[in-house]
Amino acid sequence: DAGVTQSPTHLIKTRGQHVTLRCSPISGHKSVSWYQQVLGQGPQFIFQYYEKEERGRGNFPDRFSARQFPNYSSELNVNALLLGDSALYLCASSRDRGEAFFGQGTRLTVV
Amino acid sequence: AQKITQTQPGMFVQEKEAVTLDCTYDTSDQSYGLFWYKQPSSGEMIFLIYQGSYDEQNATEGRYSLNFQKARKSANLVISASQLGDSAMYFCAMSLITGGGNKLTFGTGTQLKVEL
Repeated sequence: DAGVTQSPTHLIKTRGQHVTLRCSPISGHKSVSWYQQVLGQGPQFIFQYYEKEERGRGNFPDRFSARQFPNYSSELNVNALLLGDSALYLCASSRDRGEAFFGQGTRLTVV
Repeated sequence: AQKITQTQPGMFVQEKEAVTLDCTYDTSDQSYGLFWYKQPSSGEMIFLIYQGSYDEQNATEGRYSLNFQKARKSANLVISASQLGDSAMYFCAMSLITGGGNKLTFGTGTQLKVEL
């Protein structure tokens, strides 16, 4: 079975631009959550979705938004990119409860 | 709010030896899950082991075991028979069990180096 897939794997954007990151969960998993990992730190929670509903939001500005589609895939959108948004963005999928599995991440560089 | 504390920024272990990575957590909730992940330099977050707060036995997955001490709020990871490929960053994380998936809170990580 395929694991969690994220696209793209690497991305370079200019300050002020918009970016969309995508995540496909493991088949049968209905929950997707997003994390930002800045170099040298642990991942920080951004959003959690379950059955297409937002179940949690971390301490991130409104420039960050997300959604989950009927097939349980998800998008993370970031508007008006700042240099500080440069990070590894990780997506995790899980069932209702229990183990959570991550994709390989999207490495975003803002220049 | 939940908090995870990993007090060992870096650890060294010799190949074939066992190593314990420390993790303490803080929560007032009774229903939660504890996770350990391995992150090599490639960046992928690899799931290692999971322990639910109501699980009576310590979780084990191959060479990994989780030493869960609920009263002390600790969830240490034990890696037996270390291998060179175990060199990586290790993160402890927790999530409340509320149904609807996981919202993980991570610690700051422990960098493990396995030596010959």
